[in-house]
Amino acid sequence: AQSVTQPDIHITVSEGASLELRCNYSYGATPYLFWYVQSPGQGLQLLLKYFSGDTLVQGIKGFEAEFKRSQSSFNLRKPSVHWSDAAEYFCAVAKGKTSYDKVIFGPGTSLSVIP
Amino acid sequence: EPEVTQTPSHQVTQMGQEVILRCVPISNHLYFYWYRQILGQKVEFLVSFYNNEISEKSEIFDDQFSVERPDGSNFTLKIRSTKLEDSAMYFCASSGLGDTGELFFGEGSRLTVL
Repeated sequence: AQSVTQPDIHITVSEGASLELRCNYSYGATPYLFWYVQSPGQGLQLLLKYFSGDTLVQGIKGFEAEFKRSQSSFNLRKPSVHWSDAAEYFCAVAKGKTSYDKVIFGPGTSLSVIP
Repeated sequence: EPEVTQTPSHQVTQMGQEVILRCVPISNHLYFYWYRQILGQKVEFLVSFYNNEISEKSEIFDDQFSVERPDGSNFTLKIRSTKLEDSAMYFCASSGLGDTGELFFGEGSRLTVL
């Protein structure tokens, strides 16, 4: 069964600094990978997704992620963090890209941004 | 922009009571899901629903839970006899046909069982 790990439970960065959130997945075939963000008290918003092709994917809000098959990783990056980026970030994997394939979430990484 | 809406936003209930959480998915979507997030924990898959039947369910989705699409627009999650450990945020999601793979989530319904 597919699974997702996010090694960092909580990360604090200074505003304007760069950010990298780690994600590792376990799945035998080519996974379909997602990053979602959850602001306090809010629902889940899709930041970006990887299905195939270019391993560097661009998302909303200036985020990008790189799929590395050899490392089973899909790390999220942002070159300059804004205070509004403080939120919970979830990496997720689906076994297929059709709409009925369930998405499995990692445990999440909480991001704090200090001025 | 179309969105998934959920009601109620917060419900408090006594242990043993029945609860129905309601969701209105995006209108042209055909696949529907419920996820649960216990406070401070990860988002867990409960059930997926397509063509008026359950496609897949997790081990969490036991006989106390049921889902229904009663009228072609609403998608409901019923918990027949709530337990303390059912206290969580429940998220509804929907997705459309094609290779999008994207789930569109509602804002969630917070359930507190006393």
